Amino acid sequence: GNSVTQMEGPVTLSEEAFLTINCTYTATGYPSLFWYVQYPGEGLQLLLKATKADDKGSNKGFEATYRKETTSFHLEKGSVQVSDSAVYFCALIGGGSNYKLTFGKGTLLTVNP
Amino acid sequence: GAGVSQSPSNKVTEKGKDVELRCDPISGHTALYWYRQSLGQGLEFLIYFQGNSAPDKSGLPSDRFSAERTGGSVSTLTIQRTQQEDSAVYLCASSFLAGGRGMDTQYFGPGTRLTVL
Repeated sequence: GNSVTQMEGPVTLSEEAFLTINCTYTATGYPSLFWYVQYPGEGLQLLLKATKADDKGSNKGFEATYRKETTSFHLEKGSVQVSDSAVYFCALIGGGSNYKLTFGKGTLLTVNP
Repeated sequence: GAGVSQSPSNKVTEKGKDVELRCDPISGHTALYWYRQSLGQGLEFLIYFQGNSAPDKSGLPSDRFSAERTGGSVSTLTIQRTQQEDSAVYLCASSFLAGGRGMDTQYFGPGTRLTVL
């Protein structure tokens, strides 16, 4: 079956630091890949997505590139802000199920001023 | 509506009672999904609707859980004889279509936090 593995947190950074949250997946075929973010007290929001190999998703300064050769979709941001503090979830659709999102366990990011 | 809405936002109930959770999807979205978020299990898929039919109920944890969707819009998730292990945040999501690249992005509601005492 499908699975998503993301780096365990919590991750604590200072403002303006570089962020990487690793995500790897297992799925057959060509899944679509997503990063969702959950800010404190709020629901899940789509941050970015990529639907085919070598696609780069980007939003709000965050980027992730769909790497089929390494089955990875690592999230990066060059300079984090305090407002980026949230839980980040890597997820996929595909591999035999074209509607069911499979999520990683989430990574808590705290950015200190 | 601007986004997916869910009600109530919080529900506290006693063990053994039945509860109903409601989801209003984004207008025009044909696909609707229920997920559950709990500390121990993370985010789990429960059920998927395409229109009013539910092709996949495989994620429902037990026969105490049921869901329906009427008019291709509003959905209700019902939990009968609630147990303490049902305590979680229940999330609803909708998408324009399912399975089509670019049109299958799921947009989530704020969730219903269920606490079973």
